[in-house]
Amino acid sequence: DVKVTQSSRYLVKRTGEKVFLECVQDMDHENMFWYRQDPGLGLRLIYFSYDVKMKEKGDIPEGYSVSREKKERFSLILESASTNQTSMYLCATLGTGYRQPQHFGDGTRLSIL
Amino acid sequence: QQQVKQSPQSLIVQKGGISIINCAYENTAFDYFPWYQQFPGKGPALLIAIRPDVSEKKEGRFTISFNKSAKQFSLHIMDSQPGDSATYFCAASIGSNAGKSTFGDGTTLTVKP
Repeated sequence: DVKVTQSSRYLVKRTGEKVFLECVQDMDHENMFWYRQDPGLGLRLIYFSYDVKMKEKGDIPEGYSVSREKKERFSLILESASTNQTSMYLCATLGTGYRQPQHFGDGTRLSIL
Repeated sequence: QQQVKQSPQSLIVQKGGISIINCAYENTAFDYFPWYQQFPGKGPALLIAIRPDVSEKKEGRFTISFNKSAKQFSLHIMDSQPGDSATYFCAASIGSNAGKSTFGDGTTLTVKP
């Protein structure tokens, strides 16, 4: 079974701080994603990575960056946190192969004060 | 431009009733349509999925109906139970593309005992 682990379930940070959200997967999946989930807005893609050191912008990349130095780890970075980045952040993975579902972690609820 | 529209946003059903959630898509290149179920405090998890050459797929009490000409698909939950109370997301993707899935905005289902 695929396991996607997000390092923190809850995180409280201050405006202007640099924030790191970590995601680790154990199934050797090439593709990893970061989403934010807000009520009524569904899942919005921030960034995704299809290989080590490779990344592509999603629909809402502004204010975020990512790092993928190892295949199993995908980090989301808030360069200078702002209150409008308070949200639930979800990491997901996707294996190769046709018609595969994404596998999600349980999320990090981030509050920016 | 939202490529997958999901309705209703919220749904309340009595125990034993039928829950129906609808999704409509625009991109005719989509060929994989999963539904995800998300319980509070958890990440979304694959519930059931369908491909466009099949008009219906059933797994236990959960059925996907697919109408390719109308570009619509729906999730039916028969004999709804309080344990089915969750948020449901439809999604669409191109199966050979290991990149992005497009998600609906989600439906919060409450099944009253």
